[in-house]
Amino acid sequence: GNSVTQMEGPVTLSEEAFLTINCTYTATGYPSLFWYVQYPGEGLQLLLKATKADDKGSNKGFEATYRKETTSFHLEKGSVQVSDSAVYFCALKTNNQGGKLIFGQGTELSVKP
Amino acid sequence: SQTIHQWPATLVQPVGSPLSLECTVEGTSNPNLYWYRQAAGRGLQLLFYSVGIGQISSEVPQNLSASRPQDRQFILSSKKLLLSDSGFYLCAWSSGVAQDSPLHFGNGTRLTVT
Repeated sequence: GNSVTQMEGPVTLSEEAFLTINCTYTATGYPSLFWYVQYPGEGLQLLLKATKADDKGSNKGFEATYRKETTSFHLEKGSVQVSDSAVYFCALKTNNQGGKLIFGQGTELSVKP
Repeated sequence: SQTIHQWPATLVQPVGSPLSLECTVEGTSNPNLYWYRQAAGRGLQLLFYSVGIGQISSEVPQNLSASRPQDRQFILSSKKLLLSDSGFYLCAWSSGVAQDSPLHFGNGTRLTVT
């Protein structure tokens, strides 16, 4: 079945450090890929998405590129801020599953000043 | 613009009591609606989804049920809560089943069963 695997957290970085959160997926066909962010005590917010191979999604300084050959969608940011501390979820969606979003287990990011 | 509302934000209920969580969407018609649960830790489990009024698909057999009495209203219920029902419940909507349409989440309900 379809699944998403994210790197284990927590990830702890200093402010202005470079961020990478790894995400790989298994899916039949060609899914759309998403990154969501969850700040403490809140719901999930869509951060970015990519719908086909080699697409790059970007938002708020974050970006991720849909790599079909490695089935990956790694999240990157060049310079993190304390306000980026949150849990990040990678997710996929396919046409043949009734519109369901399948999530990875989430990666907690903590940015220290 | 579209908005999604969930209530209550926080709920503490004793074991064996009933539950009703409500979710409504504004600014769109015929949305797909979803209930997810996030237990201790961070994983998200899809509980129910609905593609139209009265149409409910259950992902996990359990103590909960869902109903969609109106186009933009989605209700999560239980007749008798269990301790294991504690968690963070998230409602979400999307504009369709197309794979490029994202889900949009509410702010969640924190349920503690005591």
